[in-house]
Amino acid sequence: GAVVSQHPSRVICKSGTSVKIECRSLDFQATTMFWYRQFPKQSLMLMATSNEGSKATYEQGVEKDKFLINHASLTLSTLTVTSAHPEDSSFYICSATGDSNQPQHFGDGTRLSIL
Amino acid sequence: SQELEQSPQSLIVQEGKNLTINCTSSKTLYGLYWYKQKYGEGLIFLMMLQKGGEEKSHEKITAKLDEKKQQSSLHITASQPSHAGIYLCGADVNSGGGADGLTFGKGTHLIIQP
Repeated sequence: GAVVSQHPSRVICKSGTSVKIECRSLDFQATTMFWYRQFPKQSLMLMATSNEGSKATYEQGVEKDKFLINHASLTLSTLTVTSAHPEDSSFYICSATGDSNQPQHFGDGTRLSIL
Repeated sequence: SQELEQSPQSLIVQEGKNLTINCTSSKTLYGLYWYKQKYGEGLIFLMMLQKGGEEKSHEKITAKLDEKKQQSSLHITASQPSHAGIYLCGADVNSGGGADGLTFGKGTHLIIQP
């Protein structure tokens, strides 16, 4: 089955630090990747949609200057949380799909803790 | 308001028993996806349903999408400890073509009692 790798799995850093999370599709070309955020015992919330070679589309309420997304190739998308603060602490998870008739395959997520 | 209502929120079932989880929307679902998640981990894809009345099965899990494409159910037959986890329904509620981000329900926490 399709494999999506997300790295790192866990980050603990000081307030003000910028953190980069990578999402890679290992065995298929992902024309579209998605970034979600999940708070404890809550549902996944879509943050942004990333298409290879174009600017990401952000959901309402998500600051694009805060959460920088780059989708430079068909197998890699990155999410950078800039100047992270404790309220940015959360579980971030990416997904990837090759086309709209295929399901999204998810990475294992990144638990971000800002001290 | 929550676009996808998932029920029950939690479920404790004795091993070997059957169970059903429901996912309901007030909007038409243009794609309905069932995933399983262990707390704090990634999502494992289970089923994808796109057509009204569609039903799919894999091993002991069966998923259905109603004719109106607003309600889906996930049924597990003869539950096993390996079925324990959080089940999430995710849906594409946008009618436009192309891959869209999913709207998720809050999940059903399934516990299997030996």
